[in-house]
Amino acid sequence: DAGVIQSPRHEVTEMGQEVTLRCKPISGHDYLFWYRQTMMRGLELLIYFNNNVPIDDSGMPEDRFSAKMPNASFSTLKIQPSEPRDSAVYFCASSLGRSSSYNEQFFGPGTRLTVL
Amino acid sequence: RKEVEQDPGPFNVPEGATVAFNCTYSNSASQSFFWYRQDCRKEPKLLMSVYSSGNEDGRFTAQLNRASQYISLLIRDSKLSDSATYLCVVNRGTGRRALTFGSGTRLQVQP
Repeated sequence: DAGVIQSPRHEVTEMGQEVTLRCKPISGHDYLFWYRQTMMRGLELLIYFNNNVPIDDSGMPEDRFSAKMPNASFSTLKIQPSEPRDSAVYFCASSLGRSSSYNEQFFGPGTRLTVL
Repeated sequence: RKEVEQDPGPFNVPEGATVAFNCTYSNSASQSFFWYRQDCRKEPKLLMSVYSSGNEDGRFTAQLNRASQYISLLIRDSKLSDSATYLCVVNRGTGRRALTFGSGTRLQVQP
């Protein structure tokens, strides 16, 4: 079975450029989460969706970050303009609302972003 | 104060040893507790949930002390393959799906 799919796996860009990260959750999962992981701050929740609707975006660092989920099988996280401090690994995760493993989140392999 | 605090380690132990990790959390409204495992340069994966009565899964035992807001993980008979970072995770309140991850405790099992 396919797990959570993220693309690209690696992204190197220059400061000021727009970056778009993509995620395909596990089919049938109704929750989708975006995280950022750095050595300094660990794993931080940025935003999450339930049935394609944003529920909590309090972790989004600033207006340069935006996330969308146009349908149940696709989400994007956009950074515009990007800055060197945005360099991190960005993970997407999904979970099933009605599940015996309450709150188990399945993570994608991550996108390693480097902003020069 | 961080919402979830863990000793970063590293814990260097020989194969076959027993090792214990602890974490504390600050949100008394948290209702769900987990240990995730993260291998180097990989994504986190659920290791086990933590229940109030304590629970065991093979060589792994998890305990929860709600009064002290303290969670533990015990690994018996350590294997080389147990080398990883162990993340303590709590949810953000009753019925809330959002999770807060600790920074992790790194374990290195030596041959």
